[in-house]
Amino acid sequence: DQQVKQNSPSLSVQEGRISILNCDYTNSMFDYFLWYKKYPAEGPTFLISISSIKDKNEDGRFTVFLNKSAKHLSLHIVPSQPGDSAVYFCAASENSGGGADGLTFGKGTHLIIQP
Amino acid sequence: DTAVSQTPKYLVTQMGNDKSIKCEQNLGHDTMYWYKQDSKKFLKIMFSYNNKELIINETVPNRFSPKSPDKAHLNLHINSLELGDSAVYFCASSQGLPGQETQYFGPGTRLLVL
Repeated sequence: DQQVKQNSPSLSVQEGRISILNCDYTNSMFDYFLWYKKYPAEGPTFLISISSIKDKNEDGRFTVFLNKSAKHLSLHIVPSQPGDSAVYFCAASENSGGGADGLTFGKGTHLIIQP
Repeated sequence: DTAVSQTPKYLVTQMGNDKSIKCEQNLGHDTMYWYKQDSKKFLKIMFSYNNKELIINETVPNRFSPKSPDKAHLNLHINSLELGDSAVYFCASSQGLPGQETQYFGPGTRLLVL
């Protein structure tokens, strides 16, 4: 049972345009959400996160939006750059109490930025 | 300096062997994790560990055991390796405190069991 879903295996976007990656979740206990970027043969690299008490978090070109009622979050990258080409993983945790919970990951979306 | 490091990066071994993968973090974090990325590219938690408790994903076979000699290290021991253990294994660490749940990952260890 997939609790975190990324329904688009791949996404192609032209350089300079906006990339929008989507993620849905089913577990209403999730209260912390993260996006990771992964290049081949490397570990996931943390990009940006959002707590369930917020609906938006912005860091430079990256913005994450959270819609709790729809159990949906999205990552916006603007403007998209060639170096953004990678696999993007959405992840979630039930971590309001802190501690040692693992993250639940989506299957990833391969973002391809075209020149 | 690499924040979370793993050795070896590649591991090829025969079925039935026992092997270990090492993980070290220099971030001063209290909690460490092991994840498995299978052939379908799903990243799944195997263990999380801090100095107080070990939390095991119930789907992980008991042939897998984490060992932590100190707070900066969490090694993964695998006994009687099976073909299905072939995967990429990622170590991660976090502060493990409310509001500091972000986990930082190592580069992965690619295990191939023949």
